[in-house]
Amino acid sequence: GIQVEQSPPDLILQEGANSTLRCNFSDSVNNLQWFHQNPWGQLINLFYIPSGTKQNGRLSATTVATERYSLLYISSSQTTDSGVYFCAACRGSTLGRLYFGRGTQLTVWP
Amino acid sequence: NAGVMQNPRHLVRRRGQEARLRCSPMKGHSHVYWYRQLPEEGLKFMVYLQKENIIDESGMPKERFSAEFPKEGPSILRIQQVVRGDSAAYFCASSIGLEAFNEQFFGPGTRLTVL
Repeated sequence: GIQVEQSPPDLILQEGANSTLRCNFSDSVNNLQWFHQNPWGQLINLFYIPSGTKQNGRLSATTVATERYSLLYISSSQTTDSGVYFCAACRGSTLGRLYFGRGTQLTVWP
Repeated sequence: NAGVMQNPRHLVRRRGQEARLRCSPMKGHSHVYWYRQLPEEGLKFMVYLQKENIIDESGMPKERFSAEFPKEGPSILRIQQVVRGDSAAYFCASSIGLEAFNEQFFGPGTRLTVL
């Protein structure tokens, strides 16, 4: 399978701060997704980004496929950004099977 | 623009009972995946189904667990004779096609508690 490692495991921020979350993966991938698991346990799709850069409001993501990593940027963080951020990847040989990292637990204080 | 639907959202069962979890994919999606989130193990793949077909069940426990995606109706994940270790959040995802590069969209999950 694919090994997916996320860092840091925990992150505590003051409201308004910026942060960068990292995801390293062990093999070339066809699919790389970022999710936010909110305090109610729901998994929210943030980005589908096997390569390149995308932005959505205060969030943006970059995947450098040749170097096997992806970054999620959160700017001007808000308390509602709190939760766990997961990245997940798959490649053709594993069909649609997504391999998840262990996540980054983000806590934003007012 | 309904997303992936799962029901029930919460399910409580006593040891030895059966649990049935349902998943309706997004409109136009014909591929369904089930994942399980155990407290100390993170999110793990269980099974991948197409209508009337199991594509990959390599992540399913060998006993008591089964899944189906009939021609009509939702996908069902069935757990027979539940044990306390089955307590977890079960997520369903759907995609538009078979290829690995297709984005998967997740439902809200079913939280199973086994007493």
